[in-house]
Amino acid sequence: QQPVQSPQAVILREGEDAVINCSSSKALYSVHWYRQKHGEAPVFLMILLKGGEQKGHEKISASFNEKKQQSSLYLTASQLSYSGTYFCGTESSSGYALNFGKGTSLLVTP
Amino acid sequence: EADIYQTPRYLVIGTGKKITLECSQTMGHDKMYWYQQDPGMELHLIHYSYGVNSTEKGDLSSESTVSRIRTEHFPLTLESARPSHTSQYLCASSVRGHEQFFGPGTRLTVL
Repeated sequence: QQPVQSPQAVILREGEDAVINCSSSKALYSVHWYRQKHGEAPVFLMILLKGGEQKGHEKISASFNEKKQQSSLYLTASQLSYSGTYFCGTESSSGYALNFGKGTSLLVTP
Repeated sequence: EADIYQTPRYLVIGTGKKITLECSQTMGHDKMYWYQQDPGMELHLIHYSYGVNSTEKGDLSSESTVSRIRTEHFPLTLESARPSHTSQYLCASSVRGHEQFFGPGTRLTVL
């Protein structure tokens, strides 16, 4: 049930772009994206729902391919504040629990 | 203000003690969760609830138990704490199809 995230880690220079991928073997109802900084709780970034609805904030975008059960998070013109661990969480069509991937560690350097 | 609370924030106890980690939310969410997370590691779902009197075990085997007698309250209990239980415990709540809100977490150390 746990979604698979890739890559495991990314190092960027400020201003560069990155893509984080998330895939599931189950039919999905929604995909959530969160960012967690050291010692803090995860913070919501975006939710993508089956059918195309998206809810989120910040200058971060994402896509959801319902046929492939895959989602990608796009970080453009990265800022130092983007550093942290990114988790995707998936909610299957048949279940109600949100399961998270193992996370992608992102470091943005000056 | 709608929020999710966890107490205590930090707890250091001896082996064999019984402990209860408290979690409360004021948003009226039907779904609540407990995750276990070691520093810098993945979030492991240990328990979740769809609503009052509904609880399920997550993917990670856990020696803890939960109860959901009231919508807003979802406590987690360890009957006999062991050093292997040392970790951070995060409580969360949500409504299906919407953002999941996390509490600040409880850092548990078992000596």
